[in-house]
Amino acid sequence: NAGVTQTPKFRVLKTGQSMTLLCAQDMNHEYMYWYRQDPGMGLRLIHYSVGEGTTAKGEVPDGYNVSRLKKQNFLLGLESAAPSQTSVYFCASRQSTDTQYFGPGTRLTVL
Amino acid sequence: GQSLEQPSEVTAVEGAIVQINCTYQTSGFYGLSWYQQHDGGAPTFLSYNALDGLEETGRFSSFLSRSDSYGYLLLQELQMKDSASYFCAVRPDTGGFKTIFGAGTRLFVKA
Repeated sequence: NAGVTQTPKFRVLKTGQSMTLLCAQDMNHEYMYWYRQDPGMGLRLIHYSVGEGTTAKGEVPDGYNVSRLKKQNFLLGLESAAPSQTSVYFCASRQSTDTQYFGPGTRLTVL
Repeated sequence: GQSLEQPSEVTAVEGAIVQINCTYQTSGFYGLSWYQQHDGGAPTFLSYNALDGLEETGRFSSFLSRSDSYGYLLLQELQMKDSASYFCAVRPDTGGFKTIFGAGTRLFVKA
């Protein structure tokens, strides 16, 4: 099992560009999450999904969109990147327990 | 509101015991989780307390007291590799698909 994987690992964007981050899990988990982590800070929830075809807003959803067309994939989109979106993005999944399994992260820099 | 508070930094000596506290303000939750994150890495699950009391997993133990709105992570026989950030987290039982993370405690283990 690969667990949770994220693509890409690193990305540099210019202000106004768009991109999509892909998260994939092979554990058949229902719940998936996108977080951002800024230096020296904790994890802030962007969006989450409680099952295929569902999405919901988290704590900091502005400027991001998500889709969960397949159970194993959760996509995070930035339509018009801003420097404030420079961060490390983590995807996580879980099943019925509270334990979340995290991907390795995507380090995004917006110039 | 719902929040978790942890000390920002703790320093301890190799071989010693260290306790990382987590106090919370949330009306109700399913359990208290602890995650470890090394620099440049992803958070990984360490321990979970669904009920009050002590849970032991090798050198790590975690404690929860709902009546005191308090929990802690205890690390024994500290090793240099334990230098990392440690996050406590709860999943509120209202709107209960989301998890709230503390800002994290940076542990420095000295030789």
